[in-house]
Amino acid sequence: DIVMTQTPLSSPVTLGQPASISCRSSQSLVHSDGNTYLSWLQQRPGQPPRFLIYKISNRFSGVPDRFSGSGAGTDFTLKISRVEAEDVGVYYCMQATQFPPYTFGQGTKLEIK
Amino acid sequence: QVQLQQWGAGLLKPSETLSLTCAVYGGSFSGYYWNWIRQPPGKGLEWIAEINHSGSTKYNPSLKSRVTISVDTSKNQVALKLGSVTATDTAIYYCAIVVVTATPWDEYWGQGTLVTVSS
Repeated sequence: DIVMTQTPLSSPVTLGQPASISCRSSQSLVHSDGNTYLSWLQQRPGQPPRFLIYKISNRFSGVPDRFSGSGAGTDFTLKISRVEAEDVGVYYCMQATQFPPYTFGQGTKLEIK
Repeated sequence: QVQLQQWGAGLLKPSETLSLTCAVYGGSFSGYYWNWIRQPPGKGLEWIAEINHSGSTKYNPSLKSRVTISVDTSKNQVALKLGSVTATDTAIYYCAIVVVTATPWDEYWGQGTLVTVSS
């Protein structure tokens, strides 16, 4: 199985300031079709998860443009340009390139300072 | 407004079969990937299974011998069955659909079902 490793595991951020989460995979996530199936999810407290980003950098419908994804190969980053109170929660990266199984990172808890 | 609603038994005894259903209301899709994902209380996410609009299925190898995912397109529903449950299957189970018909993709989640396995 591909292991997804996120850093940091906890990120205290000041409102209005940027935040960044890294995700590293144990193998390249480039699929044979040329795409890289790396997604980011957000889980607010007490809520189901929600997909934010697909194929490294594409925002799902309705996702604010303060969320952005980047990276290639085995190293990926989720950035929030200006953190808002509603962004508090746990963020996961997920790979769907090498299956089975699809695998998640262990999660990064974003909290307000 | 598209909504996903899921239901199924929340308390099972060891060796019983977990059975969950998830329905889409307010929309129907031609290109999609249905997924079941679970989360043990206080822990991270684990992918269970996927079925797409072509009927192709994928399973987590750690569960493959016990799990079945199926879709009823006439009812806009997806179902999950997990046999021979044990306490380690205790988790919140989520259905999720990723719609790839248009760009950007869309996604919806069920509210989650807490399934507890206990004798």
